[in-house]
Formats: sequence, C-alpha cells, structure tokens
Amino acid sequence: QKEVEQDPGPLSVPEGAIVSLNCTYSNSAFQYFMWYRQYSRKGPELLMYTYSSGNKEDGRFTAQVDKSSKYISLFIRDSQPSDSATYLCAMSDGGAGSYQLTFGKGTKLSVIP
Amino acid sequence: DSGVTQTPKHLITATGQRVTLRCSPRSGDLSVYWYQQSLDQGLQFLIQYYNGEERAKGNILERFSAQQFPDLHSELNLSSLELGDSALYFCASSDNSGRAGNEQFFGPGTRLTVL
Repeated sequence: QKEVEQDPGPLSVPEGAIVSLNCTYSNSAFQYFMWYRQYSRKGPELLMYTYSSGNKEDGRFTAQVDKSSKYISLFIRDSQPSDSATYLCAMSDGGAGSYQLTFGKGTKLSVIP
Repeated sequence: DSGVTQTPKHLITATGQRVTLRCSPRSGDLSVYWYQQSLDQGLQFLIQYYNGEERAKGNILERFSAQQFPDLHSELNLSSLELGDSALYFCASSDNSGRAGNEQFFGPGTRLTVL
C-alpha cells in the first residue's frame, strides 16, 4: 500500500461546478498537509497549507483535513477553465527538522466552458 | 513566479554521461529540496539541504549527489546516466522555520532526456 493514495482521474466538470479532490494516507505521523496545482510542464504551485484537522478556506478553495480518518480533501467552488490542471496532495511529518514531502500521484482536472 | 530559479530548462544527453542541475532558492530560504517527477513514479523526494548541510535523504541513487553552497544555491549532480533517469527534476525551497514556515515553493524544473 502506498503511503498516499490519490485518484488519478481524469476528472471532467462543467464550468461553475464544485470540484472535490481527495487523498488518503496511511502514515499517522503526517501532520502537515498541502495541495499543489501543476500546469502541464510547469512546477507545482502551492495552493493550500494546513497543519491541523478542520477546514481552511482561501477564496474559492477549501482544504479539509480529517486526521482521525487519515483523509484530506480540496474543494474548488465555481470552477473555471483556468482551474484545469493536475492537483497534487502532499504531506510531511516534520521529523528531524525535515519537511520532505510525500506526494499523491495527482488528479487531472478539466473544467469545460 | 515562486522566486525559485532552476537552470537549465532542458537537458538532452547520452547514457553514461554526467550532468549538473542548478537551483537558486527564494531569498531568505535556507532549505533546498530536490524532487524527481516521472510518469510512473510521480513526484519523489531525493534529498534536502539546510544551510549548507545535508538534512535528509530520500530515494536518491548512489549515482546522484548534491551540495549546497555558502550562497545557498544548490546543485544536483547525476552521473553514469541511464535511460530511466529521464524525468523532470524540481527543486523547492522553504525557510524551515517550524510549523508555519515549512511551505515549499517549487522552481520551474529541469527536463532531462537521456538518449
């Protein structure tokens, strides 16, 4: 079993839809959780960063962490064609002063105008 | 723009060769992380340097090595290259200052093609 599981999609939604992206993990030591957006052939761009269970909102994006279930989610409201990209979840345990990230494989999202 | 720069953008070389990838972190960031992204393995952590010292190692092959210089830029050296080393190589930087300071910001990557 991989440490971080993420449905690779692809996921196709109409413009304006609410998108839900999810990851599950097996390592209970993970305590820092991130969502990155990656456009084709570009570097990952940090969207959301959380280190506690619960919700965090930033504009159209909401990140949700449930440590008891080892489950994290990213919600995108009012999705736009410019949101079409691959979304990667990432997490870290912060042990020994290293915050190296373990990534999911990414979910490819297409928002259709 | 994340503030992290990487050179070169593209690199095409032959099997058995050696290449050097360069990364300059965001101003003020002391940590540099290197990651490899391939189609089958996804993004995988290779190695981390913090203020010139190696801090953590991931799935980095013995043929690969890295260092961080006093000006905090970092280089990733890949030697005896094989076809399977073809991938995107990213560096990321963070200030590593604890809970609220370990977000990692990624550079644009170097695309390595080994022929």
